[in-house]
Amino acid sequence: ETGVTQSPTHLIKTRGQQVTLRCSSQSGHNTVSWYQQALGQGPQFIFQYYREEENGRGNFPPRFSGLQFPNYSSELNVNALELDDSALYLCASGRGYTGELFFGEGSRLTVL
Amino acid sequence: GENVEQHPSTLSVQEGDSAVIKCTYSDSASNYFPWYKQELGKGPQLIIDIRSNVGEKKDQRIAVTLNKTAKHFSLHITETQPEDSAVYFCAASEDESSGSARQLTFGSGTQLTVLP
Repeated sequence: ETGVTQSPTHLIKTRGQQVTLRCSSQSGHNTVSWYQQALGQGPQFIFQYYREEENGRGNFPPRFSGLQFPNYSSELNVNALELDDSALYLCASGRGYTGELFFGEGSRLTVL
Repeated sequence: GENVEQHPSTLSVQEGDSAVIKCTYSDSASNYFPWYKQELGKGPQLIIDIRSNVGEKKDQRIAVTLNKTAKHFSLHITETQPEDSAVYFCAASEDESSGSARQLTFGSGTQLTVLP
C-alpha cells in the first residue's frame, strides 16, 4: 500500500457542476500527477505539478485544472462537468522527474 | 505522441503455469517502462519497471524483458497463484532530467485470471 491518499472515494455530480478532488502525496515526494481512468481502459495523463507549478499536461481541456500546495498535497478541479467525465481519477506522487510513480486508490466520479 | 499497445486483453492460466503479457510502443525516445497491477476497486500498484539501459530485470516470480530495437517489452509471471489475478497495465515514458513531466502512456490492460 502506498502513502498516497485521495478523497472523496466516490461522488456523484450532475452535468454542468464543478468538482474538487484531493490528494495527499507520499512522504518525501515532490511531484504529483493526475490521471483519468475510464471504465475498462488504461489511465490517461491529465497533468503533473512540481514545486506548485504545472510542468506538463496531457490532452485535456482547460476546464481541468489543479493546484499543488507547499506540503505537496494537491487538488484536481473540473468545471462544467460532462457525462464523459465519469471515471476513476487517480493521483500519483513521485520524487523528482525520473522516480517511480505511486498511485492512490482513486476517486470514482459519476456525472449524471 | 507515444502509443502503447498491449496484448492479450484477457488471459487465463492454470495455477502454477506461467503468464506472459506483451506491449509495443511507438516513440523511440521512451526509455522507462513500468508495469502496474490493478485489483478491483483499487489504484494501480507498481510491480516492476525497466529502463532502456538493461534488457531484462527479475524480481522473484516476476520478470520484464525489453527489446528496444523492436520497441516491445514483456511481463513474465512464473508459478502463478490465484492472488496474481488482476488487471495488468504496461506503460512507457521518456525519462527527462530537464524538468519536464513524467508522463506515463498506458496500454489498455490485460485481465489475468489464475484458475485454481
